[in-house]
Amino acid sequence: KAGVTQTPRYLIKTRGQQVTLSCSPISGHRSVSWYQQTPGQGLQFLFEYFSETQRNKGNFPGRFSGRQFSNSRSEMNVSTLELGDSALYLCASSLDRVFSGDANYGYTFGSGTRLTVV
Amino acid sequence: KQEVTQIPAALSVPEGENLVLNCSFTDSAIYNLQWFRQDPGKGLTSLLLIQSSQREQTSGRLNASLDKSSGRSTLYIAASQPGDSATYLCAVMKGWKGESEKLVFGKGTKLTVNP
Repeated sequence: KAGVTQTPRYLIKTRGQQVTLSCSPISGHRSVSWYQQTPGQGLQFLFEYFSETQRNKGNFPGRFSGRQFSNSRSEMNVSTLELGDSALYLCASSLDRVFSGDANYGYTFGSGTRLTVV
Repeated sequence: KQEVTQIPAALSVPEGENLVLNCSFTDSAIYNLQWFRQDPGKGLTSLLLIQSSQREQTSGRLNASLDKSSGRSTLYIAASQPGDSATYLCAVMKGWKGESEKLVFGKGTKLTVNP
């Protein structure tokens, strides 16, 4: 079965611009989470969406936002880009815990979108 | 605040050696712990998932243990191969049903297996 698909794979943007990243979860997965990975900070949680609702949010400024559509696909948007936003952005999907059962409740990650801000 | 630490940050071993990667976390109230592998420039591949009620999980040459009371997990790799070279990340999930859930990651151990 298809995995988690993130598009695009690479992006180069200029400071001040905005960017939208897309994530298609595994079929049947309703939870989508976003993470930012940088060499200095490692992997940090951005937010999680479940059934089109933001269920959890990390400690990032309001320039970072997201949404989820009825087909569970998710997008994240970063406005007014800064040089420090350069990172690998990873999306992860999972089944709802109630349906997956505790033994199978884990995350599957996509290959990421590499964003470079110049 | 949950903090996850992985030691060592980097490890270089000859092919065929058995090795152990360590992960420690500060808050023992976790739901589960997951080990991932990340190849350069790529996403994360899940290796093993251990529920908080379990002590260990095995998959092929990999064995992961969990001691929740001491806040520790180890990933054991038997008979290492050059193809095992990657960064290994440990992540804990906090929160219980009905609460917010997220993964808290360590910084990873970069493993190099030399032929």
